[in-house]
Amino acid sequence: QSALTQPRSVSGSPGQSVTISCTGTSSDIGRYNYISWYQQHPGKAPTLIISDVNRRPSGVPDRFSGSKSGNTASLTISGLQAEDEADYHCCSCAGTHPFVLFGGGTRLTVL
Amino acid sequence: EVQLVESGGGLVQPGGSLRLSCAVSGFTFRSHWMHWVRQAPGEGLMWVSRIDIDGRSTDYADSVKGRFTISRDNDKNMLYLQMNSLRAEDTAVYYCARDYSWNQADYWGQGTLVIVSS
Repeated sequence: QSALTQPRSVSGSPGQSVTISCTGTSSDIGRYNYISWYQQHPGKAPTLIISDVNRRPSGVPDRFSGSKSGNTASLTISGLQAEDEADYHCCSCAGTHPFVLFGGGTRLTVL
Repeated sequence: EVQLVESGGGLVQPGGSLRLSCAVSGFTFRSHWMHWVRQAPGEGLMWVSRIDIDGRSTDYADSVKGRFTISRDNDKNMLYLQMNSLRAEDTAVYYCARDYSWNQADYWGQGTLVIVSS
């Protein structure tokens, strides 16, 4: 059981928008803005797509956006493209051990 | 170009040991905290361990504490994970990752597979 809760799967058609939630507690997501999201294609290493709740690293399309409300962080992907089909993992800093928490991952299927 | 390359994975019997290595290049290694993160087959990511810039402060997930040891050699640009008393549930791909800020990892290696089985 992961420390942060994500839906196991989401889906959307090309061009549509999808939002993936990541729920924690007041000790992690609710307390810190050090929330990151990672994209992982099958057989590949994760890559950072969002940091600090809503910051996109260089090279990440602006179709990807992050937000936070209370104890829940969200990743929104707009204008879905076939290459967005992947697993998405959220991560939050925590104030106490174990300090780094991941969600269980969400499989995005582009229909 | 930032590169992280893991090595040292393989098949090991329960109770055995392995030492993973992560060779880094393309950035000032001694300026970054580093992490090990693992992913069991078909599962999500799990944080394993982290180490500060000079190796004096380390942290571990409860499931590996007392069995795994993270270390680094800043002169050689190397990160290590010594894994002892391995269990079947330690079977996973192990990734080393560079800390960008407050436990957020901006660069990851390609991973090395560890299989614990008799």
